[in-house]
Amino acid sequence: GNSVTQMEGPVTLSEEAFLTINCTYTATGYPSLFWYVQYPGEGLQLLLKATKADDKGSNKGFEATYRKETTSFHLEKGSVQVSDSAVYFCALSDNSGYSTLTFGKGTMLLVSP
Amino acid sequence: DAMVIQNPRYQVTQFGKPVTLSCSQTLNHNVMYWYQQKSSQAPKLLFHYYDKDFNNEADTPDNFQSRRPNTSFCFLDIRSPGLGDAAMYLCATMRGASNQPQHFGDGTRLSIL
Repeated sequence: GNSVTQMEGPVTLSEEAFLTINCTYTATGYPSLFWYVQYPGEGLQLLLKATKADDKGSNKGFEATYRKETTSFHLEKGSVQVSDSAVYFCALSDNSGYSTLTFGKGTMLLVSP
Repeated sequence: DAMVIQNPRYQVTQFGKPVTLSCSQTLNHNVMYWYQQKSSQAPKLLFHYYDKDFNNEADTPDNFQSRRPNTSFCFLDIRSPGLGDAAMYLCATMRGASNQPQHFGDGTRLSIL
């Protein structure tokens, strides 16, 4: 079956530090990959996506590249802000008829001033 | 503008007393999902609709039911809530095509007294 593995958190950084959150996946076929962000007390917001190998998704300074050879989709940001503190979920969709999402366990990011 | 709206944001009910959570969408998406999310965990899919076609996850308790009277609305009914059902319930929608992301509401936080 499909699975997503994320690095455990919390990840604690100072403002303006470089961020990497690792994500690897197992899937058959050609899944689409997503990063979602969840702020405290809120639902999930789509941060970025990539639908095929070597695609790079980007949004709000965050980037992730779909690497089929390493089955990875690591999230990066060059300079984090306090407002980036949230839980980040990596997810895949197998693009079957109903496109259900398989989530990683989530990684909490805490950014201090 | 909120496109997936969940009401209420907070719901308190008594042990064993039926409760209904609602979700509406302005995106005209044909797929709607209900997730349960417990503290510090990833969302867990309960069931979803593709148009009127209902799909129940194998491990969703019988205590959980859903209704989708039209494209815009979907309801989650918990017939006899137990203490273990206290959680955040998330609704999501998706345009029914490959490679599409899911769009989440802000969730309903359910507490059981």
